[in-house]
Amino acid sequence: LAKTTQPISMDSYEGQEVNITCSHNNIATNDYITWYQQFPSQGPRFIIQGYKTKVTNEVASLFIPADRKSSTLSLPRVSLSDTAVYYCLVVGSYIPTFGRGTSLIVHP
Amino acid sequence: DTAVSQTPKYLVTQMGNDKSIKCEQNLGHDTMYWYKQDSKKFLKIMFSYNNKELIINETVPNRFSPKSPDKAHLNLHINSLELGDSAVYFCASSHMIRDPQETQYFGPGTRLLVL
Repeated sequence: LAKTTQPISMDSYEGQEVNITCSHNNIATNDYITWYQQFPSQGPRFIIQGYKTKVTNEVASLFIPADRKSSTLSLPRVSLSDTAVYYCLVVGSYIPTFGRGTSLIVHP
Repeated sequence: DTAVSQTPKYLVTQMGNDKSIKCEQNLGHDTMYWYKQDSKKFLKIMFSYNNKELIINETVPNRFSPKSPDKAHLNLHINSLELGDSAVYFCASSHMIRDPQETQYFGPGTRLLVL
């Protein structure tokens, strides 16, 4: 089971870039790295997924180094509405584990 | 259109009661899940059904019993409610289980408070 480790909480200010790093040292060859975002009083929602190198979409970028033992979710120019919990998952042939996530608070 | 819906949204009840939470998805997915989220935001999987068949049953007390009448519905029945059952319960669905690229779609959650 690929366990993930990410910071419990982070603080930022509007307009800044936020990088959340997740460690997954025993990631398997076929595993993908997936990030979910959960706003207060809502269910988590998928934001980005990657296997290696860099993936970018309209919400975020995901950087994965060659050894794939970690990944970094990058949120450009955050706003107050980016305040949420961000979960890093390693998804493969087993049960994906969400854990506690990283609680990001964006301040004015 | 709501992709994954849950009822009720809020549930306040007394210890010892039996209650049910309903979940429906209109995405045509084969797999559905129940998760429990505690006050520290720890999101833990409880059950998963694939085409009405129980696939995942994590270490959940047998007071919790999932029921899947068809692949679009997965209900959660809880007997003899305890204080520790207070949490937010999320239903989710996905196209396939154990697919590395599968993504899950979550419902809005049911906030259960046991008094």
